[in-house]
Amino acid sequence: KAGVTQTPRYLIKTRGQQVTLSCSPISGHRSVSWYQQTPGQGLQFLFEYFSETQRNKGNFPGRFSGRQFSNSRSEMNVSTLELGDSALYLCASSLVRTADPYEQYFGPGTRLTVT
Amino acid sequence: SQQGEEDPQALSIQEGENATMNCSYKTSINNLQWYRQNSGRGLVHLILIRSNEREKHSGRLRVTLDTSKKSSSLLITASRAADTASYFCATSGTASKLTFGTGTRLQVTL
Repeated sequence: KAGVTQTPRYLIKTRGQQVTLSCSPISGHRSVSWYQQTPGQGLQFLFEYFSETQRNKGNFPGRFSGRQFSNSRSEMNVSTLELGDSALYLCASSLVRTADPYEQYFGPGTRLTVT
Repeated sequence: SQQGEEDPQALSIQEGENATMNCSYKTSINNLQWYRQNSGRGLVHLILIRSNEREKHSGRLRVTLDTSKKSSSLLITASRAADTASYFCATSGTASKLTFGTGTRLQVTL
């Protein structure tokens, strides 16, 4: 079974631009979560989507948004990029079931650099 | 913000030795998980321990959980050079959001 895939793997953008990152979960996984990893703040939860609905949201400004499609693929968008948005963005998928609903499988990440 | 702290922040050992890292967290949890990350790549799930479990084993890994002290430890026995990575604990409560610790950087030398 293929793992979580993220595209693109690397991205360089300029301050003020917007960016869209894509994540394809493991087949059959219906929950997709996004995390931001920076040296200063570590790993922080952005949001989680389940069945095309945002189920949880972290403490990030409204410039960070996401969506999930009917095939469970997810995208996240960051508008009006700031230098501080430079980070590794990780997507994780989860097979939501009763026993272990929160075991998450991560993709390789998208490294975003804002100049 | 992060749930808690991990210690040590960095650990350097020789191949064949055991490595122990600790994680402390702040709030009630549903379960605690340990992940490994190699050089800024994606996270690899290692083991999940539920709040009603005290110890769990998986291969060379042994995880303990003490909910009264809000702490967990990860023991890697007979370390190998390939175990060199950063290790993170992550907790979740009633929601599926994971809250990560600060991580321990493990270096295993030959």
